[in-house]
Amino acid sequence: QLQLQESGPGLVKPSETLSLICTVSGGSISTTDHYWGWIRQPPGKGLEWIGSISFDGSTIYSPSLKSRITISVDSSKNQFSLKLSSMTAADTAVYYCADWNTSSGWFDPWGQGTLVTVSS
Amino acid sequence: DIQMTQSPSSVSASVGDRVTITCRASQGISSFLVWYQQKSGKAPKLLIYDASTLHSGVPSRFSGSGYGTDFTLTINSLQPEDFATYYCQQANSFPLTFGQGTRLEI
Repeated sequence: QLQLQESGPGLVKPSETLSLICTVSGGSISTTDHYWGWIRQPPGKGLEWIGSISFDGSTIYSPSLKSRITISVDSSKNQFSLKLSSMTAADTAVYYCADWNTSSGWFDPWGQGTLVTVSS
Repeated sequence: DIQMTQSPSSVSASVGDRVTITCRASQGISSFLVWYQQKSGKAPKLLIYDASTLHSGVPSRFSGSGYGTDFTLTINSLQPEDFATYYCQQANSFPLTFGQGTRLEI
C-alpha cells in the first residue's frame, strides 16, 4: 500500500527558504493521472492546503502562498518536494504530504507530518 | 475562497452516544465535501468523501449527508477510539479549504 514520508529541517531561520521532500513508497509517483499535495497545520490550529502537483509536474498553488512556493516532482527518486521562501514565524507548522484524489478531492494517505519551526 | 464553518467547535459526549457535526460552506459546493478524523499528534485520516461515501475500512457507524452548502457528519454509538478532532474540506474549487475543526471529547 502507498506510504508517504516527509523529510527536511525541523528549524528554519526567518527569511530563509524551507525545503521539504516527500518520499513515496509502495507505488510509482509517475502513475498516470496521479496527483500529490502539501498541507500544513500550525500548532493547535486547523489545516491549510498549500498546493498540489500532478504526475507530470503540473502545479496548483494556494493563492495566499503562490508567490513563495514551488512544488516539483522527481520521478527518478519517487519524490516530490516543497520549497517555501521568505519564512516567518507564521509559517511554523506541521507540514504534511498526501496523495490527492482529483475526482473527489480527498487526501489519503497522508505522511506522518514534520514540524517546522521558524526561529532565529 | 470558499469558507467552511463547522459547528460546534467542540462537543462532549459519552461512549454509546450519537453525535452530529455540521459543516457549512459559504457558497454551494455540490457534493464535493470530505470529512477527516485527526487524533492528537497524528495525521488526518479520510473518513467520508463525496459528502456521503464511506472510505474503505471506515466503520459503518460513521455517516455523512448534505448537498450544496450544508453538510453533516454523524457518528452512531460512539466508541472510545472516536474521540478526536474532525475536519471537513471542500473539494469544489481552488483553493481547497478546510473547516476549523470540531473537537469531540469524552
